[in-house]
Amino acid sequence: NAGVTQTPKFQVLKTGQSMTLQCAQDMNHEYMSWYRQDPGMGLRLIHYSVGAGITDQGEVPNGYNVSRSTTEDFPLRLLSAAPSQTSVYFCASSYGSGGPDEQFFGPGTRLTVL
Amino acid sequence: AQKVTQAQTEISVVEKEDVTLDCVYETRDTTYYLFWYKQPPSGELVFLIRRNSFDEQNEISGRYSWNFQKSTSSFNFTITASQVVDSAVYFCALSEADRDDKIIFGKGTRLHILP
Repeated sequence: NAGVTQTPKFQVLKTGQSMTLQCAQDMNHEYMSWYRQDPGMGLRLIHYSVGAGITDQGEVPNGYNVSRSTTEDFPLRLLSAAPSQTSVYFCASSYGSGGPDEQFFGPGTRLTVL
Repeated sequence: AQKVTQAQTEISVVEKEDVTLDCVYETRDTTYYLFWYKQPPSGELVFLIRRNSFDEQNEISGRYSWNFQKSTSSFNFTITASQVVDSAVYFCALSEADRDDKIIFGKGTRLHILP
């Protein structure tokens, strides 16, 4: 199993550009989520999904969109990048049945917005 | 609303000392789950433990132990006989299973183990 994969590993954008961060898992996990990590702020939940076709907002959803058309994939879209979105982004997945379980995290995407 | 507070931003101890990382949570739910994760300098996030609100038994795993006290809404993590490899950022997290299972993290505690 590849686990949770994220692409790209690094990305530089200009203000106003859009892009999609890819996340995929091959463990048949129902629950997937996106976090951003900023110095001193810990991990903040952006969006999450409890299954294909179901998504919901986390703590900091503004400026981001998600969709979950398959169990495996959970892409995160930045609609119009801003310098405040410079961060490290982590995707995670877990079984999600019988209560939230151990989350498996991807390696992260380091995004810089100029 | 669910909240996790890790009041210790940064801790430094000398190798072989014991160290406790504090985690205080807030929730209105009766069913919830608590987690600890480790993020070493390499950046990956490593799961350490999951505990549900109905199980207040303390847990020990090698040099790691966890103390869950519902009366004080705390889920503290102790490393006994610390080692340099324990240097990392440690995160506590909470999920309110009565609601929607979303998992919220605290801001983390950066632990330095000095040789």
